[in-house]
Amino acid sequence: GQQVMQIPQYQHVQEGEDFTTYCNSSTTLSNIQWYKQRPGGHPVFLIQLVKSGEVKKQKRLTFQFGEAKKNSSLHITATQTTDVGTYFCAGNQGGSEKLVFGKGTKLTVNP
Amino acid sequence: GAGVSQSPSNKVTEKGKDVELRCDPISGHTALYWYRQSLGQGLEFLIYFQGNSAPDKSGLPSDRFSAERTGGSVSTLTIQRTQQEDSAVYLCASSQHRGDNQPQHFGDGTRLSIL
Repeated sequence: GQQVMQIPQYQHVQEGEDFTTYCNSSTTLSNIQWYKQRPGGHPVFLIQLVKSGEVKKQKRLTFQFGEAKKNSSLHITATQTTDVGTYFCAGNQGGSEKLVFGKGTKLTVNP
Repeated sequence: GAGVSQSPSNKVTEKGKDVELRCDPISGHTALYWYRQSLGQGLEFLIYFQGNSAPDKSGLPSDRFSAERTGGSVSTLTIQRTQQEDSAVYLCASSQHRGDNQPQHFGDGTRLSIL
């Protein structure tokens, strides 16, 4: 079935450390989207990558889309307590209209 | 409204009862998704509506679950003969035009508790 794998499932860091979550698909993705869900909230769209090898930055967040369009990563530099939450990747596989979500990476930041 | 609206925000019911959850998507959004999220877990896909196409029901966990979308707008998710394992947050999301390449906008969810 359609699956988007995301690792790690959990990540605990000290404030100021970096954090990375990885997303992998067995099939080519037409795009990759990233969402953040704060504790008690709903997922909120962060960014979308469409082009092979694309890199986008939002302040301390760097998003990458692999050359083969099968993997992606989100890197946070110098984490802050406000970064706490679960980060989900999601993509459209094989031209399908349905967006498939990874299981998310839950980030906790110790002050 | 400006966002996806879900009602009720909370629902507590007894095991065996039927429940109906409502989602009002952003005006003009043709794609609508239902997800289930258990405490501390990821998003479990339930069903996907896109325009007038037949819905993708591949995520519905059992025949007790059904959903409809009338007039291409409001959607209702119905759970019949509820069981305790149905307790979760049910999230609805909508997106503009085609599902591909369009970000999803989520509602605040309905927190369902089965006693």
